[in-house]
Amino acid sequence: GIQVEQSPPDLILQEGANSTLRCNFSDSVNNLQWFHQNPWGQLINLFYIPSGTKQNGRLSATTVATERYSLLYISSSQTTDSGVYFCAVVGFGNEKLTFGTGTRLTIIP
Amino acid sequence: DAGVIQSPRHEVTEMGQEVTLRCKPISGHNSLFWYRQTMMRGLELLIYFNNNVPIDDSGMPEDRFSAKMPNASFSTLKIQPSEPRDSAVYFCASSFNSGVGTDTQYFGPGTRLTVL
Repeated sequence: GIQVEQSPPDLILQEGANSTLRCNFSDSVNNLQWFHQNPWGQLINLFYIPSGTKQNGRLSATTVATERYSLLYISSSQTTDSGVYFCAVVGFGNEKLTFGTGTRLTIIP
Repeated sequence: DAGVIQSPRHEVTEMGQEVTLRCKPISGHNSLFWYRQTMMRGLELLIYFNNNVPIDDSGMPEDRFSAKMPNASFSTLKIQPSEPRDSAVYFCASSFNSGVGTDTQYFGPGTRLTVL
C-alpha cells in the first residue's frame, strides 16, 4: 500500500516562530488532508489539498503532486498550535485514508 | 451541523466484556469510516461503509470486531469479547462520497476505550 512519511517527528519552537512540516508519499494520490490533533485528542481538518496551495490565516499548505510531497507552513506560532500534525492520503482507486506518523509540535511561551 | 457524534466518549471495561461504540455521521454524508489510534500503530482504518454497505473491512483486526450501519444516520462498532490490547481511541469519520476518493473526511471526537 501507499507509504506516508512525515518530518520532522518532533519540533520545539518559541512562540512567534515559523515552521515547515513535510509529508512525503510513495505513490500518486487522489486526496491529501492535513489534520491537527490537539492535546485533547480531537482531530481537526486543516486542509484538503491534493494539489496546489491553500491558505487559512497563519496556516498554509502546498502539495506538489508530481513530486509526491506536501508542506504545511505555520507562521507566527502560538501555544495553541501545539499538538500533533498528521498528513493523510488516499491513493487512486480506493477511498482509504492512510495516515503518516505525525509531527509533534510544541510551542513554548 | 453538529458534526460527527460519537458515544460514549470514554469507556472502561473488564476483559471479556462486550463493548459497543456508536457513531452518528454528518447529515447528508454517505460514507462512514471507523479508525483506531494506538501508540504502537498510529491511526489505522478498520472498516468503511458507502450508503450503509460495508465496502472494505480488511482493517478489522479479528472476528471479535464487528461493525454495522443499519441506516444512514447510525453505525456501531462492537468488540466481543474485549481484550486489554483493544485499548485505544476509536474514531468515526464521515464524508460525502462522490465515488472517486476525493472527499474530505470529517472526524468525530473519538471514544477512548480502556480494557482492564
